Amino acid sequence: SQQGEEDPQALSIQEGENATMNCSYKTSINNLQWYRQNSGRGLVHLILIRSNEREKHSGRLRVTLDTSKKSSSLLITASRAADTASYFCATERYGNNRLAFGKGNQVVVIP
Amino acid sequence: AAGVIQSPRHLIKEKRETATLKCYPIPRHDTVYWYQQGPGQDPQFLISFYEKMQSDKGSIPDRFSAQQFSDYHSELNMSSLELGDSALYFCASSLALYKGTDTQYFGPGTRLTVL
Repeated sequence: SQQGEEDPQALSIQEGENATMNCSYKTSINNLQWYRQNSGRGLVHLILIRSNEREKHSGRLRVTLDTSKKSSSLLITASRAADTASYFCATERYGNNRLAFGKGNQVVVIP
Repeated sequence: AAGVIQSPRHLIKEKRETATLKCYPIPRHDTVYWYQQGPGQDPQFLISFYEKMQSDKGSIPDRFSAQQFSDYHSELNMSSLELGDSALYFCASSLALYKGTDTQYFGPGTRLTVL
C-alpha cells in the first residue's frame, strides 16, 4: 500500500495567491519528499524533509511535517502560472530507500 | 548539471513483444530505481540496484527483469507485453544507499504504449 497519500485535491487559484496541499501517511518514515510533475512529464524534486525536522523552506515553498499525526503540508506562496502542475508527496522508510508515492494534487494557477 | 538520461523517450510496441528501456544515472550516483506510472496514477516502485546488485524489489511483474551494469547504467527488460503495461517508466538515481537518506533524482521517463 502507498505510504504517502494526499487529500485528493484539485486546486484552482489566481496568480499571486497561496496554494496549500496536504499529505498523510501510514507508517514510520525516514523522510518525506515533494515532487512536481507537469502534464505527464518528468518528476521534479522540490524539497525533502527528514523525520526529525518539523519545517523546511526553499524559495517560495514551505513544507511542514508532523510525525505524530503522520502528515505533511506543502505551501506555495505567491503562486505563478508556471506552478501549474501535479504535486506528489512520497515517503521513504528506514532501511528501505524506495519511495511510496501518494495521489497527486492538481494545481492550476490562473494568470 | 547532468541529469538522469532515459532512452528511448517514446516507445510503441505490439502485444506480446519485448521492450528494453535504458537509464543512465547522474555521474557518481551508485543507486538506480525504476518506477512505473500508469495513466492518471501515482508512480509505483518496481526495483532498485545499488552497486550493480539488486537492493530492493517492488511490484515488478515476473515478465520484467532489470540489471545494472559496470558503468552504472541500468536496463529494464519487458517481455510478453500486455496492454496494461502502457505507462510512463521513470528511472531515478541517488548517491550512497548505505548512507540512508538521499534525494532521488528522476529522469524524464520513457512513455511506453502497447497496442
